[in-house]
Amino acid sequence: QKEVEQDPGPLSVPEGAIVSLNCTYSNSAFQYFMWYRQYSRKGPELLMYTYSSGNKEDGRFTAQVDKSSKYISLFIRDSQPSDSATYLCAMITSSSASKIIFGSGTRLSIRP
Amino acid sequence: EAGVVQSPRYKIIEKKQPVAFWCNPISGHNTLYWYLQNLGQGPELLIRYENEEAVDDSQLPKDRFSAERLKGVDSTLKIQPAELGDSAVYLCASSFSQAGNNEQFFGPGTRLTVL
Repeated sequence: QKEVEQDPGPLSVPEGAIVSLNCTYSNSAFQYFMWYRQYSRKGPELLMYTYSSGNKEDGRFTAQVDKSSKYISLFIRDSQPSDSATYLCAMITSSSASKIIFGSGTRLSIRP
Repeated sequence: EAGVVQSPRYKIIEKKQPVAFWCNPISGHNTLYWYLQNLGQGPELLIRYENEEAVDDSQLPKDRFSAERLKGVDSTLKIQPAELGDSAVYLCASSFSQAGNNEQFFGPGTRLTVL
């Protein structure tokens, strides 16, 4: 069993829809949770970074962490075609830890 | 500010041939990482450098893979000999490691195809 599980998709939604992306994990030592966005033929770029349980909002993006269920989510409101990319969840055990454990990524397509 | 630079962007070789990838991290970043990303998977760490020192190479297949980071700046990752299963994207990332902030910045990757 992988430490981090993520539905690979692909997920296709119409422009303007709310998108929900999710990951589950098994290692209770994970403390910091991240979402990366990766466009085709590009490297991943950090989108959201949260610590422990709770919500964090940044513009159209909301990251949610539920440590009791070992479940994290990323919500995208008013989705745009430019949001079409692969979204990778990622986790580390502490703020100074360098080893990131990535999910396999969910491929998202926003239809105009 | 320039991002992480990698070259070549694409490489096609025949199995058993050697191949090398080059990475130039963001200026001032002391930590450098090499990741392997297979199709449909997330990146997996191969090796991490703190300045010139390889501090985590536990996932590097040392029988055929080698890496170096001379002078603590640029880095080279080498495969010799390459196998069919090495076809993947090789990502380089860098960060300025300090307490509470360890954001890694990724390059565009080198896409390797082994025939």
